[in-house]
Amino acid sequence: EVQLVESGGGLVQPGRSLRLSCTASGFTFGDYAMGWVRQAPGKGLEWVSFIRSKGYGGTTEYAASVKGRFTISRDDSKSIAHLQMNSLKTEDTAVYYCTRLVGNWFESWGQGTLVTVSS
Amino acid sequence: QSALTQPASVSGSPGQSITISCTGTSSDVGGYNYVSWYQQHPGKAPKVMIYDVSNRPSGVSNRFSGSKSGNTASLTISGLQAEDEAEYYCNSYTTSSTPWVFGGGTKLTVL
Repeated sequence: EVQLVESGGGLVQPGRSLRLSCTASGFTFGDYAMGWVRQAPGKGLEWVSFIRSKGYGGTTEYAASVKGRFTISRDDSKSIAHLQMNSLKTEDTAVYYCTRLVGNWFESWGQGTLVTVSS
Repeated sequence: QSALTQPASVSGSPGQSITISCTGTSSDVGGYNYVSWYQQHPGKAPKVMIYDVSNRPSGVSNRFSGSKSGNTASLTISGLQAEDEAEYYCNSYTTSSTPWVFGGGTKLTVL
């Protein structure tokens, strides 16, 4: 069974940093692209970032709203994906979901971790 | 990148069928067969219901179906059940600045 477990969320002041982790199990992590989708309180879903598998170059993509501030990475030996979030803004407040991508759809989702950016 | 356009809400009675639309452009919905639909119950993670316009993942009820015409994709739920009450989001691959774009979401109420 595919399992994705996010961690690292919490309360952080504007301008500070936070690193989210997504620990995967139940599948060969290195074979899949992984991504992050967020949902601000009471709002819709917003795609944030993804990283291709090493087989496809391990390259990354970012939403315009986070480009230059967020960095996605992966450690295939530990089946973990990370999202390093720097220069956080109040508008980054959201539940962040880790997802496994299959083709162009988000096939599996974690339970989410809440990030609150506030002074 | 603007979100895909979905109706804010739809409703139906148990046993009826409803359709949720998702309108984009030729750069996303109209240009590729990469539309997916997600169901989200309050406080829960989204769950994929349809991928690549009309394919159902294993375990998803055949009451859920997807289609596309031009720049508009549709999710149809037949034989509505109380458990179908949820928020539904469409998503499409896009050639705009980011690879994917979500719709704004549609709240389905089962009367």
